[in-house]
This record gives sequence, structure tokens and C-alpha cells, in this order.
Amino acid sequence: SYDLTQPPSMSVSPGQAATFTCSGDALPNQYAHWYQQRTGQAPLLVIYEDKKRPSGISERFSGSRSGTVATLTVRGAQVEDEADYYCYSTDSTGNQRVFGGGTKLTVL
Amino acid sequence: QVQLRESGLRLLKPSETLSLICDVSGGSIFGSNWWSWVRQSPGRGLEWLGEVYYTGTTNYNGSLKGRVTVSVDSSKSQFSLTLTSLTAADTAVYYCAVLYAGQFFQYWGQGILVTVSS
Repeated sequence: SYDLTQPPSMSVSPGQAATFTCSGDALPNQYAHWYQQRTGQAPLLVIYEDKKRPSGISERFSGSRSGTVATLTVRGAQVEDEADYYCYSTDSTGNQRVFGGGTKLTVL
Repeated sequence: QVQLRESGLRLLKPSETLSLICDVSGGSIFGSNWWSWVRQSPGRGLEWLGEVYYTGTTNYNGSLKGRVTVSVDSSKSQFSLTLTSLTAADTAVYYCAVLYAGQFFQYWGQGILVTVSS
């Protein structure tokens, strides 16, 4: 089965940039999308198709993809950004949908 | 904006079958979107289970080995999830979600916690 790999945790100080990575062998040919999940809530789409931002999502969120690695950056991290961040993509066939294991962001 | 709401039994026993329904409002179940189920075990990550198109065409997570069925009832603007042969490992929050144009999960329901325990 196909896997997307994310570091399990990250910690930044308020105002710093938080950079999340997601690696997968099929990423050179498949879009990456990113979700924020606060405790007890459903996931929220924050970046789609590598770098597009849905309406209502802060400009502090940006995304990119290069080769087998997709990246989500949150500029000027705030306490309200504390959450789990998941990348999502598909395998090389485009039929199997896969989430990364998630990265827990702590801002302190 | 499409809104989704899950419903179904929340406590089941091992070997039983899970059946959940997702009600769709604020948008049409027809069109280019796929209708999906994703679950999250306690303290764990997200796992895609399967999806259905309004025509009834389906796509499933191969790791579930035929235990999962997703179907649609367009007349009721609903789609459903069936998961057979339950074990404690199937205890999770189950979310229904809109797979926008078959690409990414755009909107999610609030989720329903299903517990499998004897």
C-alpha cells in the first residue's frame, strides 16, 4: 500500500514560521492537499492542489511541491494554529486515497 | 455550502455490521463530486474508506478487504456506509465528506463516534 510520511510533531515560538513536510513516491505526479484538525473538530481544508488556498483561509498558509516532497508553511504561527496537520494525496493510479500520519503543531 | 450530517448506531458488538447514513443539504448530490467516508481511530490519523458517485459507481480502500460498501440514494440526498465483521479496531469517529470533483475532501460532516465493544 501507498504511504505518505510526515514528522509526528513540531514546536515553534509564536511569530515563527512552521514548515510541515510530506513525502511520498507518487507526489511527482499527484497533487498534495493539506488539512488542519483542531482537537475535537473535523478536518478543515487549508491548501488544495499543492498551493491553492480555499476562501476564508488566512494568507499565512501556503503550500508547495517539489519532487517527492510537499510542503505546508504557516507564517507567523499563532496559538490558534495549534492543531494536527495532515497531508492527503493519491497513489500513482489515482484511485487509492491516502492521508499522511499527521504532524502535531505546538506553538509556545 | 454543502452541509453533511452523519447518523447511525453508536455502540456495536464484535462481528456485527456498522451502518451509517450521511444526509446532504445545501447542494445537489448530483454533479461531479464524489461522496466519501473517512474514519479516525482514537488518537490516530485519518483513513479513507470509500466513495460513491451519484450514478452508483464506487471506489474502496483496498486494505479493507471487501468489508466496506458505500451506496447512494439520490432521491433522499443521502449516501451510506456499511462495514461488516466489526472488531474493536473499527472503533473510530466516522466522517462523511464531499470529494470535490474527485480530487480533495472539500467539506466534512461533524463526525460520529462508533464504539465496538462486547
